[in-house]
Amino acid sequence: AQSVAQPEDQVNVAEGNPLTVKCTYSVSGNPYLFWYVQYPNRGLQFLLKYITGDNLVKGSYGFEAEFNKSQTSFHLKKPSALVSDSALYFCAVRDIHTGVTFGTGTKLQVIP
Amino acid sequence: DVKVTQSSRYLVKRTGEKVFLECVQDMDHENMFWYRQDPGLGLRLIYFSYDVKMKEKGDIPEGYSVSREKKERFSLILESASTNQTSMYLCASSVARTSGIPDTQYFGPGTRLTVL
Repeated sequence: AQSVAQPEDQVNVAEGNPLTVKCTYSVSGNPYLFWYVQYPNRGLQFLLKYITGDNLVKGSYGFEAEFNKSQTSFHLKKPSALVSDSALYFCAVRDIHTGVTFGTGTKLQVIP
Repeated sequence: DVKVTQSSRYLVKRTGEKVFLECVQDMDHENMFWYRQDPGLGLRLIYFSYDVKMKEKGDIPEGYSVSREKKERFSLILESASTNQTSMYLCASSVARTSGIPDTQYFGPGTRLTVL
């Protein structure tokens, strides 16, 4: 079965510092991976996806993610965090049957 | 821009009531999904539909049913609401790809349901 793990329930980072939100995956076949963000009282919004090609994927709002096949990871990164980046972040992986399977989410808190 | 709307942002119902949650998308997407979101559990798929009148069970279909009579509309039904169905419910839609590669899902704002 396809699955993703987000090992951190919460990540705290100071404004202006680089941020990383971790995700590891387990799949059979090609990994198709996604990151979504959920701002308070809103639905999820797509950030970026990895299908094939370059291991560094660039997405919305200055975010990027690095696909690492040997470590089965797809960590979300941003060089300089903003207070407005504070939100809940979900990693997701393709599921052959249902489309995608989501992780449990990581709350990012950017401290002014 | 894709727009996915849900009939209510907040809903309070009593145990045993029949509850309808409605979702409408305006981008002619084939696929539609219903998830529930609970703290620490992430998003769990209840049902999805890949075409009109078609439905597939997700990971947690017990206690729920769905209806898709028109392409743009996907309804979630709680036949007899229970307190353990208190949750945030999210609807999503996506294009269907014959390649098998899942496309981006577009989400509605969510309905926070409280069952008393």
